[in-house]
Amino acid sequence: GAVVSQHPSWVICKSGTSVKIECRSLDFQATTMFWYRQFPKQSLMLMATSNEGSKATYEQGVEKDKFLINHASLTLSTLTVTSAHPEDSSFYICSAYAGTANTGELFFGEGSRLTVL
Amino acid sequence: AQKVTQAQTEISVVEKEDVTLDCVYETRDTTYYLFWYKQPPSGELVFLIRRNSFDEQNEISGRYSWNFQKSTSSFNFTITASQVVDSAVYFCALSEAGNTDKLIFGTGTRLQVFP
Repeated sequence: GAVVSQHPSWVICKSGTSVKIECRSLDFQATTMFWYRQFPKQSLMLMATSNEGSKATYEQGVEKDKFLINHASLTLSTLTVTSAHPEDSSFYICSAYAGTANTGELFFGEGSRLTVL
Repeated sequence: AQKVTQAQTEISVVEKEDVTLDCVYETRDTTYYLFWYKQPPSGELVFLIRRNSFDEQNEISGRYSWNFQKSTSSFNFTITASQVVDSAVYFCALSEAGNTDKLIFGTGTRLQVFP
């Protein structure tokens, strides 16, 4: 079946550095990908919708200058956490539809756990 | 506004017991989609089911079954004869026809199945 893969699975960085997380659709093209954030023992919150070839759409309250999203190809979206701080430590998950949103299945990546020291 | 409520934060059962996870949703749309996902300790979300609002038939898949009741805005999930491998966090989610891209997740129910 369709697979969405994220890299890295986990990353530890120092406060003030930037971290890039990749999300790839391995066997299908995705014009739209989604980035979620999950704090420990909490639900997933949609951060932004990544659109291939255009700007991402951010949810209310998500700083677009803090969380840079680039969707340069139909199989790759990247999320860059700029000048990361300990409060940015979280589990970041991407997803993409294989097929159309109305009929296709939404696949999630394995998630990327970010720890900012 | 759309909302998904999973009132059960944590459930513990002994293996072979049946367990039902509740999900209540709110939406103004007449066309919407409901989902259940499983999140094992590894973190990856595993798709379990997608149901559109016009299909109220209950569904059974092996030990899993879902009861969709539009009258009470509920989409409950039952695991029959639970197993230790069922231990995970289960999320119910909703998306609306006008914005199918966006999934609204419930807060999840952590299920622990003890041997």
